[in-house]
Amino acid sequence: GQSLEQPSEVTAVEGAIVQINCTYQTSGFYGLSWYQQHDGGAPTFLSYNALDGLEETGRFSSFLSRSDSYGYLLLQELQMKDSASYFCALRGGGFKTIFGAGTRLFVKA
Amino acid sequence: KAGVTQTPRYLIKTRGQQVTLSCSPISGHRSVSWYQQTPGQGLQFLFEYFSETQRNKGNFPGRFSGRQFSNSRSEMNVSTLELGDSALYLCASSGTGENTEAFFGQGTRLTVV
Repeated sequence: GQSLEQPSEVTAVEGAIVQINCTYQTSGFYGLSWYQQHDGGAPTFLSYNALDGLEETGRFSSFLSRSDSYGYLLLQELQMKDSASYFCALRGGGFKTIFGAGTRLFVKA
Repeated sequence: KAGVTQTPRYLIKTRGQQVTLSCSPISGHRSVSWYQQTPGQGLQFLFEYFSETQRNKGNFPGRFSGRQFSNSRSEMNVSTLELGDSALYLCASSGTGENTEAFFGQGTRLTVV
């Protein structure tokens, strides 16, 4: 089967850089996605890595290493509004997307 | 264009009852997936439909079922409700292809008492 692990909580200061890691176990997959979810809101798509390497979208970057079964989301110039839960997700075979349990990011002033 | 619409937003049911939740995907999207979200458990995959066919199913009991209509709207049904079924149920729609992002609705908050 497929499974993903990510830290349950991360705390960082406004203006800093934070990295949220995601390790996974799977027999095969198309790519790794990241989603953001604010309290009471719906998850929204942030980024997708189909290939190894870094993908940059503004203040957010995501990285994938298939050989290490590992990925991360990097958030730069943290803002208070970045306080949310972040989920990594595997888009696998069988048209199934599996999500991690989520990392709660607290941004302090 | 309109986003994913889920109805109702909130629901309170009694143990043993059944419930039907509805999801209208983004126009043109034919894939609809359902997830159960509980605190600390992330999003647990329930099932995925494409063109009225269930293509995959998660590890949930048979009390959880779903269907998709010809207009891509989807419903999920939970029979014989248990207290543990209390959760946020999220629906996501996506286009074709293996790397398309999923667009989520606001969810239905189900409380079983």
